[in-house]
Amino acid sequence: NAGVTQTPKFRVLKTGQSMTLLCAQDMNHEYMYWYRQDPGMGLRLIHYSVGEGTTAKGEVPDGYNVSRLKKQNFLLGLESAAPSQTSVYFCASSYSVSGSYEQYFGPGTRLTVT
Amino acid sequence: DAKTTQPNSMESNEEEPVHLPCNHSTISGTDYIHWYRQLPSQGPEYVIHGLTSNVNNRMASLAIAEDRKSSTLILHRATLRDAAVYYCILRAINAGNMLTFGGGTRLMVKP
Repeated sequence: NAGVTQTPKFRVLKTGQSMTLLCAQDMNHEYMYWYRQDPGMGLRLIHYSVGEGTTAKGEVPDGYNVSRLKKQNFLLGLESAAPSQTSVYFCASSYSVSGSYEQYFGPGTRLTVT
Repeated sequence: DAKTTQPNSMESNEEEPVHLPCNHSTISGTDYIHWYRQLPSQGPEYVIHGLTSNVNNRMASLAIAEDRKSSTLILHRATLRDAAVYYCILRAINAGNMLTFGGGTRLMVKP
């Protein structure tokens, strides 16, 4: 059981470039989330999904797009990267049923935009 | 969203108990209290959660004040591996599984 995995682990982009971060989970979780964490700060929710084919905006969605074509995968896209998007990105997943509250997090992707 | 207030940092000695406080004076009756921790260079991990009663699990204990306006995460014997940022989070019952992270408390454990 790999849990939540993220690809890539590190990436450096130039301003204006695009990229896609991949999150995969093997726990059959319905919910998936993308967060960003800036230095010395807590995590902020970017987008989330409550099931295959659905996505919704979180607290800081601007500049990002997401897709959930398969239940086990949640993709985060940056169409035109900006230095303000330099951050560590975490993916998480959880069950949706009442009583299953725990979110499981991936190891993170460290993104630098120059 | 109801907010939480935690000290920025705390220090503890190894093998001693640690009490991490959290104030949440605007908590509503249906907000759950969650604790996550984030070890250096890792994603957060779930520690414990509760609603009204004190809770124990293999990692920690959660003591909730009778008026629910504060709570305390208790690590019974701190180890060096417990050095992390601890987040106290309120989760609204009607917000699904959404979590809103604050700044957390950085726990330093001295050998």
